[in-house]
Amino acid sequence: KQEVTQIPAALSVPEGENLVLNCSFTDSAIYNLQWFRQDPGKGLTSLLLIQSSQREQTSGRLNASLDKSSGRSTLYIAASQPGDSATYLCAVTTMYSGGGADGLTFGKGTHLIIQP
Amino acid sequence: DAGVIQSPRHEVTEMGQEVTLRCKPISGHDYLFWYRQTMMRGLELLIYFNNNVPIDDSGMPEDRFSAKMPNASFSTLKIQPSEPRDSAVYFCASSSRRYQPQHFGDGTRLSIL
Repeated sequence: KQEVTQIPAALSVPEGENLVLNCSFTDSAIYNLQWFRQDPGKGLTSLLLIQSSQREQTSGRLNASLDKSSGRSTLYIAASQPGDSATYLCAVTTMYSGGGADGLTFGKGTHLIIQP
Repeated sequence: DAGVIQSPRHEVTEMGQEVTLRCKPISGHDYLFWYRQTMMRGLELLIYFNNNVPIDDSGMPEDRFSAKMPNASFSTLKIQPSEPRDSAVYFCASSSRRYQPQHFGDGTRLSIL
């Protein structure tokens, strides 16, 4: 069964710093990996999706990398801002021979606080 | 464009009552997913549909849970009878095609007393 782990569970940094959030998964047979942002009391906002054949994706100040063979992904946030404060979730779609292949398996998230 | 719409946003009810959660996916999206989020277990997939057909319900915790998608623009998740351990935030998500980004609604916060 696929398991997704995110480290650290919480992170607090001053504004302006570059930071890296880590995600690891136990089964490397994935279709894709997706990074989400969740604000308190809100749903999830998709940030980046990396297909299994890709190594990285970029959107603005965000860059996500994927090393499928080692079961790792990182989300890099450049020049962090207080508005980046949120919980960041990593999720994978796994190639199961049975059902559930299209659903996402989530990590528990990294709770990020950017201090002004 | 409207995103995924869920109702109600909050639901508080007593144990034993029937609970119905509703979801309207993004128009044109072929896949619809129901997830549950708790502090202990995080986000878990309950069931998903493709073209209104349930594909995998292995994540549904018990027979008390059921989901339907009578048409492309509407889905329900029903709990009957409800129990306090069902208290969680329930999310609906949709995607345009297989393995494309999933778009989430704001969720329904369910409290069973």
